[in-house]
Amino acid sequence: AQSVTQPDIHITVSEGASLELRCNYSYGATPYLFWYVQSPGQGLQLLLKYFSGDTLVQGIKGFEAEFKRSQSSFNLRKPSVHWSDAAEYFCAVNGAGSYQLTFGKGTKLSVIP
Amino acid sequence: NAGVTQTPKFQVLKTGQSMTLQCAQDMNHNSMYWYRQDPGMGLRLIYYSASEGTTDKGEVPNGYNVSRLNKREFSLRLESAAPSQTSVYFCATRNDRGRQETQYFGPGTRLLVL
Repeated sequence: AQSVTQPDIHITVSEGASLELRCNYSYGATPYLFWYVQSPGQGLQLLLKYFSGDTLVQGIKGFEAEFKRSQSSFNLRKPSVHWSDAAEYFCAVNGAGSYQLTFGKGTKLSVIP
Repeated sequence: NAGVTQTPKFQVLKTGQSMTLQCAQDMNHNSMYWYRQDPGMGLRLIYYSASEGTTDKGEVPNGYNVSRLNKREFSLRLESAAPSQTSVYFCATRNDRGRQETQYFGPGTRLLVL
C-alpha cells in the first residue's frame, strides 16, 4: 500500500529565512510525487511534480523539491520565505496508471514578519 | 475557462437529510475524483471515476454514492447525512493522456451536519 508521511505538523519561520518541508513516501513501484499548497479557505494548488529525470525539480512561487530514492524522500525547499507563503502544504504520491493519489496529512507553515 | 467548479460552496444539513454535491469541469479530462478533508487527516479519496460510465470506491466510501453523469459532471450524494460527514469536500480531475498524471482541484464545498 502506498503512503506519505509528513513528519512536521506545524512549522514557524521568519520572513526571509530558508524553508525545508519534509516528505517521506512508501510506494511499490516508480513513484510520481507532488507538492500542493492550500491557502486558508481555498482549494489545492499544484506547486511542483516529479515523474522522472532530473531529481531536482523547480516549481511555482520559487519552490523546489529534491527526489532522493535511497531515502524515499521528496523534500520541499525555498531559499527565502515570504509572508504570503503561509499556508498548508501537502505531499502526495501515485504512479503510472494509478488513479489513487495518496496525500500526507499536511504541514502548516506560519511566517513571522 | 473555469477549470473545476463545485456547488454549493457551503451547506448546513440536519442529521438524516440528503443532499448532492455537484462538480463540473471544462478541462476535457477523463478521470474525476471526490475527496474529503478533515483537520489533521489530509485528503482522503471517497470515490473516483476513471471515465464516463465507470466509478470506483476509494479509501472512505461508506455513506456516499456517486454518479458520473457525463464527461463533464461528477456528483456526490449523501443519502442520510451524519455528523461524521461534516467536512470539506473537494472534487478533482486528471488528464490521463501521456504523462499528465496531475490532479486539478476545485474550490471545495464546506458541509456542516448538525
